[in-house]
Amino acid sequence: GAGVSQSPSNKVTEKGKDVELRCDPISGHTALYWYRQSLGQGLEFLIYFQGNSAPDKSGLPSDRFSAERTGGSVSTLTIQRTQQEDSAVYLCASSLESTSRQTQYFGPGTRLLVL
Amino acid sequence: AQSVAQPEDQVNVAEGNPLTVKCTYSVSGNPYLFWYVQYPNRGLQFLLKYITGDNLVKGSYGFEAEFNKSQTSFHLKKPSALVSDSALYFCAVRDRAGSSNTGKLIFGQGTTLQVKP
Repeated sequence: GAGVSQSPSNKVTEKGKDVELRCDPISGHTALYWYRQSLGQGLEFLIYFQGNSAPDKSGLPSDRFSAERTGGSVSTLTIQRTQQEDSAVYLCASSLESTSRQTQYFGPGTRLLVL
Repeated sequence: AQSVAQPEDQVNVAEGNPLTVKCTYSVSGNPYLFWYVQYPNRGLQFLLKYITGDNLVKGSYGFEAEFNKSQTSFHLKKPSALVSDSALYFCAVRDRAGSSNTGKLIFGQGTTLQVKP
């Protein structure tokens, strides 16, 4: 079946511009996670959605970052006024539910470069 | 705080030889442990997980991992390495701390496996 998909696969933007990254989770998966992979910080959690519950935003690095999940499916991560330190690979993952036993399946990522 | 350590930045093995990629963890309570592999310019692919039960867990592509509670380790192993196994490997523990219980993954820094013909 279809896995997690993300778009765009690559994004180059200028400092100060806003960007939107999209994630389509596996159908039927209620939990959705965003992670960031960068050379200096490794893989770090950003935000989590579970069904209709309020998202856990504890990993967002600044108020320039926000995310939403519409209809319990597609999610969009928005970075406003991008900075060069935002350059990274942004990974989305989904799982059947949020319990610890469930496996998270990852998308291919969006590679963001801020010039 | 829960954490995962991968003490080796890189592991080099010859094709056909056994391989081990090390992982140690620090958690409160019983750990839920995962291994993922990342090929160049690709996302993370799930290999295997330990939740409970047998300490030896078998996963995809012939990989297995041994959970050792006394040593707080979860090393990834394969009896005979292939050149195509060359990739970046991540160990992770599922966060179960706090009342929110998001279940987010806490990752090690990753180990590059290089298998030479």
